[in-house]
Amino acid sequence: DAEITQSPRHKITETGRQVTLACHQTWNHNNMFWYRQDLGHGLRLIHYSYGVQDTNKGEVSDGYSVSRSNTEDLPLTLESAASSQTSVYFCASSDGTGDTDTQYFGPGTRLTVL
Amino acid sequence: EDQVTQSPEALRLQEGESSSLNCSYTVSGLRGLFWYRQDPGKGPEFLFTLYSAGEEKEKERLKATLTKKESFLHITAPKPEDSATYLCAVPSGGYQKVTFGTGTKLQVIP
Repeated sequence: DAEITQSPRHKITETGRQVTLACHQTWNHNNMFWYRQDLGHGLRLIHYSYGVQDTNKGEVSDGYSVSRSNTEDLPLTLESAASSQTSVYFCASSDGTGDTDTQYFGPGTRLTVL
Repeated sequence: EDQVTQSPEALRLQEGESSSLNCSYTVSGLRGLFWYRQDPGKGPEFLFTLYSAGEEKEKERLKATLTKKESFLHITAPKPEDSATYLCAVPSGGYQKVTFGTGTKLQVIP
């Protein structure tokens, strides 16, 4: 079955370290997204990609970067981790070309920055 | 700025006690509305897409409805396994971009 996976599921790191969270989907979807989820906030968009070599900034992109070298993967990098980036991170993907295409989510990565 | 507001924040029901969750939104030109279910420690799971006012969709004990200003998720005779956080979201701010509400945490007591 097609799926979307994230790794690691849990990560503890120190302030100032570079961290990369992996996202891999086997749906063959063109569109991929990274969100963060914090108490009191809805899911907030960090970065997104409409296809290979395409990346775009979301509403909370400062301190994060992504790259898309193939269809299946969209790794999220925290250049220099900060305590404010402690959160749960979700990757999602969608197919098609419409605004109402369903986004399918991965299981999440819980990141703690000490 | 587009906004999605869900109420109540938390809801506790006895098994079999029907109720409704509310999702109100302010967005220019509604193109659809999504409902997701999220279990603790997991990613959101898609439930429904509603496309226009007056539309209704059902899945087991859940029925979603849409008006021009809000959506309701009706839960009929809930069971403990319906306990989860329910999220709504609207397309907003550009192609494939979505604004999420903060969710309603539902607990169904046996």
